[in-house]
Amino acid sequence: SQKIEQNSEALNIQEGKTATLTCNYTNYSPAYLQWYRQDPGRGPVFLLLIRENEKEKRKERLKVTFDTTLKQSLFHITASQPADSATYLCALEDDKIIFGKGTRLHILP
Amino acid sequence: EAQVTQNPRYLITVTGKKLTVTCSQNMNHEYMSWYRQDPGLGLRQIYYSMNVEVTDKGDVPEGYKVSRKEKRNFPLILESPSPNQTSLYFCASSLAGELREQFFGPGTRLTVL
Repeated sequence: SQKIEQNSEALNIQEGKTATLTCNYTNYSPAYLQWYRQDPGRGPVFLLLIRENEKEKRKERLKVTFDTTLKQSLFHITASQPADSATYLCALEDDKIIFGKGTRLHILP
Repeated sequence: EAQVTQNPRYLITVTGKKLTVTCSQNMNHEYMSWYRQDPGLGLRQIYYSMNVEVTDKGDVPEGYKVSRKEKRNFPLILESPSPNQTSLYFCASSLAGELREQFFGPGTRLTVL
């Protein structure tokens, strides 16, 4: 069955720099991949969805890419701010919905 | 306001005492789902429902039951809770179909002693 790996458990980035988070999957390419943000003690909040036939998707300072050859999605936050500090989860659908364990992002002022 | 609500938000109970966690959404979503979140294990799907009277097992269904008698409600039932069910539980809903942007509830922190 499909597995998701988010490579970094935690990532520290200086304010103003671009944060890049990685999501790798193991088997066939899913039809789409989703990214969510989760703050401590709260439910995840949907950010972006990218389909397998889309190379890149943008929303304000967020950018997601999908590389079916590498079996990887990258999530970028440009001009990062301390308010972007949170855990970011990627998810895909493989009969059931599977979430990665998340990357805790800390933006340092 | 579009939202998913869960009750209770916090619950401490004892082994074997049946409990129900309620979930309700006001967005007319067909798809609803329950997850549990544990440190180091991430979010794992317990059960999901594609529509009224249609439910299916997720990754970790053992020890749980669900029902979907109405579109807006999707309660999670623990018939005989055990300490390994101590966790943070989330309910989520979305429209049916391929593009399932899920809306999550605020979570229920359950402790089973």
